[in-house]
Amino acid sequence: ETGVTQSPTHLIKTRGQQVTLRCSSQSGHNTVSWYQQALGQGPQFIFQYYREEENGRGNFPPRFSGLQFPNYSSELNVNALELDDSALYLCASNHPGRTSEQYFGPGTRLTVT
Amino acid sequence: ILNVEQSPQSLHVQEGDSTNFTCSFPSSNFYALHWYRWETAKSPEALFVMTLNGDEKKKGRISATLNTKEGYSYLYIKGSQPEDSATYLCAPNNAGNMLTFGGGTRLMVKP
Repeated sequence: ETGVTQSPTHLIKTRGQQVTLRCSSQSGHNTVSWYQQALGQGPQFIFQYYREEENGRGNFPPRFSGLQFPNYSSELNVNALELDDSALYLCASNHPGRTSEQYFGPGTRLTVT
Repeated sequence: ILNVEQSPQSLHVQEGDSTNFTCSFPSSNFYALHWYRWETAKSPEALFVMTLNGDEKKKGRISATLNTKEGYSYLYIKGSQPEDSATYLCAPNNAGNMLTFGGGTRLMVKP
């Protein structure tokens, strides 16, 4: 048990739609990162939020956006869904620090048809 | 974008066998290396965070070593058990603690 939860567990959307995925971090963790794991690959870093501001971004287009709230919850929003967005989306929270251990949620499986 | 490679991609061993996998990563601008175990339908579980060259860490039957000068880390499992079956991921982090994962090693331990 990492203390990090995600919702929903599974989601099916149609190409062109928008989706919001949610994450609840461990209490006291003011840093949250989101990762995308496509089938057969390792997770890829999407972006990180620290104290409600975007703190770093991977190689993902602007239609991937996020929000972080003061109650340690966060959202990943994806607009104009494409078939290639089908993946497992993971969030991870940690205390600030260059080498802090990250605690992962179980992920949301998104299928785009 | 860091190039992180893990080998082998998958591994089948018998219960009781000892095994090891490799993670290679760029040695420049190194901050830390994270190892995770990820069982199916569960959250990735942190095993180790390693920062110093020559570091060795151990948790039960699992241990890891780190060579930051040449850019590699080994994960060892002594006396594998079926419950060790999982995907093992390594990930160096950058200055902002953003992880770059390798493709993982999928371990299957047969009873």
